[in-house]
Amino acid sequence: QVQLVQSGAEVKKPGSSVKVSCKASGGTFSSYAINWVRQAPGQGLEWMGGIIPFLGTTDYAQKIQGRVTINTDESTSTVYMELSSLRFEDTAVYYCATEGLTTAWNRNYYYGMDVWGQGTTVTVSS
Amino acid sequence: DIQMTQTPSSLSVSVGDRVTITCRASQSIINYLNWYQQKPGKAPTLLIYTASALQSGVPSRFSGSGSGTDFTLTISSLQSEDFATYYCQQTYFTPRTFGQGTKVEIK
Repeated sequence: QVQLVQSGAEVKKPGSSVKVSCKASGGTFSSYAINWVRQAPGQGLEWMGGIIPFLGTTDYAQKIQGRVTINTDESTSTVYMELSSLRFEDTAVYYCATEGLTTAWNRNYYYGMDVWGQGTTVTVSS
Repeated sequence: DIQMTQTPSSLSVSVGDRVTITCRASQSIINYLNWYQQKPGKAPTLLIYTASALQSGVPSRFSGSGSGTDFTLTISSLQSEDFATYYCQQTYFTPRTFGQGTKVEIK
């Protein structure tokens, strides 16, 4: 089964950008969606967005649309999430996760995020 | 955005208790509802997908039910390893929103 390995912790200043990587080992994610979910300290889970490499499509939460970009490098089985114009409230643990899906009637149907990365702590501090 | 409301937000229970957590969606999500378990400092793990399908490797004491707007996660006999926070998530609409979580604690 595929495993996801994320890049290391980051400390960034407000207004800067961060790019977190998520590399698949033991398989590829070519037939899955890859999501990014974040969790601020002591808070719940927040879905940020996702990419479906075999469809070449991305979805983002409107709350952060315009600041987040998700893309892939299929040659290295790596997905990247870049968040720009960082704010203090972007301090969180960021997770990537794979999710199975089917497509029918111009709609995607998802089946739960079953493989998760270990998480990457991003701290925004002046 | 679809609002997902979990109740209760926390509960104190004993090993062997039956636990029921409810998740309500602000509009119909058919059955595109997943349940996750998260332990402190760890990534979430998938328990149930599409409302009632048990993820491979998850103990059969976990079950899910519901459709439309109302869903339930049941743990038939709580074990010590089940003390954790549980989240529901809808995947029918974007953004794919989570509930606020239910923390299951030891009584």
